[in-house]
Amino acid sequence: GNSVTQMEGPVTLSEEAFLTINCTYTATGYPSLFWYVQYPGEGLQLLLKATKADDKGSNKGFEATYRKETTSFHLEKGSVQVSDSAVYFCALVSGGSYIPTFGRGTSLIVHP
Amino acid sequence: DAGVTQSPTHLIKTRGQQVTLRCSPKSGHDTVSWYQQALGQGPQFIFQYYEEEERQRGNFPDRFSGHQFPNYSSELNVNALLLGDSALYLCASSLVGSQPYEQYFGPGTRLTVT
Repeated sequence: GNSVTQMEGPVTLSEEAFLTINCTYTATGYPSLFWYVQYPGEGLQLLLKATKADDKGSNKGFEATYRKETTSFHLEKGSVQVSDSAVYFCALVSGGSYIPTFGRGTSLIVHP
Repeated sequence: DAGVTQSPTHLIKTRGQQVTLRCSPKSGHDTVSWYQQALGQGPQFIFQYYEEEERQRGNFPDRFSGHQFPNYSSELNVNALLLGDSALYLCASSLVGSQPYEQYFGPGTRLTVT
């Protein structure tokens, strides 16, 4: 079956630090990969996506590259801000199902 | 344009009781999906409704049931509540045939079972 594994949090950084949140997956076929963000008290929002191998998704300074050879989709940002503090979820859709499989989420805390 | 709204925001119930959660989809959307997000976990798919019928269902027992109304709003019902049902329940809406990343999530209802 499909599964997503994320690094455990919380990840605590100072403002302007470099961010990496690791995500690896197991899937049947050729999945599409996503990162969602959940700010406190809000629903999940799509942050970025990649639908085929070697695609790079990007949004709001965040980037992630679909690496088929390592089955990974790590999230990166060069300089985080306090406003980036949230929970980040890696997810995939595969096998003809339009229902996403989510990872457990990684909490990011950014200090001024 | 109102996004996905859910009510109530928080709810406390006793083990064995029944609960109903409500969701209004984003304007223009006709499909509603429900997810359970336990503490420290990612959302788990419960079921999806379209044209007032359940289209897909995740690995949840029959205690979890739903309904969709002609105005596309939806309810999630949980019977015989267990302590393990304590979670954030998320509703997501979309337009039939759209891509899976084109669903919009509501803020959720936090259910606590004591």
